[in-house]
Amino acid sequence: NAGVTQTPKFRILKIGQSMTLQCTQDMNHNYMYWYRQDPGMGLKLIYYSVGAGITDKGEVPNGYNVSRSTTEDFPLRLELAAPSQTSVYFCASTRSSYNSPLHFGNGTRLTVT
Amino acid sequence: RKEVEQDPGPFNVPEGATVAFNCTYSNSASQSFFWYRQDCRKEPKLLMSVYSSGNEDGRFTAQLNRASQYISLLIRDSKLSDSATYLCVVPPTGNQFYFGTGTSLTVIP
Repeated sequence: NAGVTQTPKFRILKIGQSMTLQCTQDMNHNYMYWYRQDPGMGLKLIYYSVGAGITDKGEVPNGYNVSRSTTEDFPLRLELAAPSQTSVYFCASTRSSYNSPLHFGNGTRLTVT
Repeated sequence: RKEVEQDPGPFNVPEGATVAFNCTYSNSASQSFFWYRQDCRKEPKLLMSVYSSGNEDGRFTAQLNRASQYISLLIRDSKLSDSATYLCVVPPTGNQFYFGTGTSLTVIP
């Protein structure tokens, strides 16, 4: 099992460019999450999904969009990149939001200049 | 009151020392708890799950006190490689997990 796979690992964007951060999991988890982590700070929830076709906003959704067309994939879209979106992005999944741990991907390190 | 609160530290301890971190939670209905380890700018990795009164894995012991609503992580015989940030995570009653801010540990030679 690969677990949670994120691509790319690193990316540099210019202001105003767009990109999609890919996240896929092979554990048949219904729950998937996108977090960002700024230097020296904690994890902040951007968006989450409780199953295919269902997404919801987290704490910091502005500037991002998501979709969940399959159980496996949960891509995060940045439409107009801004320097404030420079961060490390983690995707995570879990079988149950009630009593199962989160499994994290390796992260995507994004710099917007 | 925050859902989950941790002492951010930093904790600087010598090799071989025993160190303990506490994490308090506000939702008395929470049934399971998790400790994660996070190295600088890397993904959090699951260290221990706590479903009942506690759990032990080698040098690591997690204990749960439901009456006082806190969980603790005890690390015995600290190694240099234990230097990291330790996150307390509480599953939600809704769908969003609650993270502590993390406790920074540095083990000094």
